[in-house]
Amino acid sequence: AQTVTQSQPEMSVQEAETVTLSCTYDTSESNYYLFWYKQPPSRQMILVIRQEAYKQQNATENRFSVNFQKAAKSFSLKISDSQLGDTAMYFCAFYGGATNKLIFGTGTLLAVQP
Amino acid sequence: DADVTQTPRNRITKTGKRIMLECSQTKGHDRMYWYRQDPGLGLRLIYYSFDVKDINKGEISDGYSVSRQAQAKFSLSLESAIPNQTALYFCATSDHSSGLSYNEQFFGPGTRLTVL
Repeated sequence: AQTVTQSQPEMSVQEAETVTLSCTYDTSESNYYLFWYKQPPSRQMILVIRQEAYKQQNATENRFSVNFQKAAKSFSLKISDSQLGDTAMYFCAFYGGATNKLIFGTGTLLAVQP
Repeated sequence: DADVTQTPRNRITKTGKRIMLECSQTKGHDRMYWYRQDPGLGLRLIYYSFDVKDINKGEISDGYSVSRQAQAKFSLSLESAIPNQTALYFCATSDHSSGLSYNEQFFGPGTRLTVL
């Protein structure tokens, strides 16, 4: 069965600095997708970035980028130039074609300090 | 207007009561999902439906039931609520009618349920 592990329950970063959130996963599938979702205090789930496993190039979306290490089954999120609005819970998630289900990690609560 | 709506947004109920959470979508998506979020556990899948005639159990379906009344509506019921069902519940939708291997799931705003 697929599993997603986020080993950092909480993190803190100063405004304008860079922070990296870790995620590891376990799967036997070769075709899958990985995601980072943001959940601010409003509790809305917002897709931040996605990565297709067959793509070697790391995905980027403005200040958000990932470090996808397929062999190590690692998928970290880097937030550059952190802003107060980045304060949120961040969830790593896995989607495999065989199961057709989105599997979430337990989340990392990020606090951006002024 | 929001594409995926959930009602109610917040609900407090008592042990043993029957509760229904409703989800509606205007996105025209074929697939709908119910998740539960608990602190420290992330989101876990309760039930999912790939079309009106297709209902599937997820990771934690015990104590819950669902109804897909139409393509746009997917309801979650707690027949006899218990305190450990206190959680944040999310509905989500996705579109697989185009045949792509994956399409993004869009989440509703969530329902905060408290069972006393």
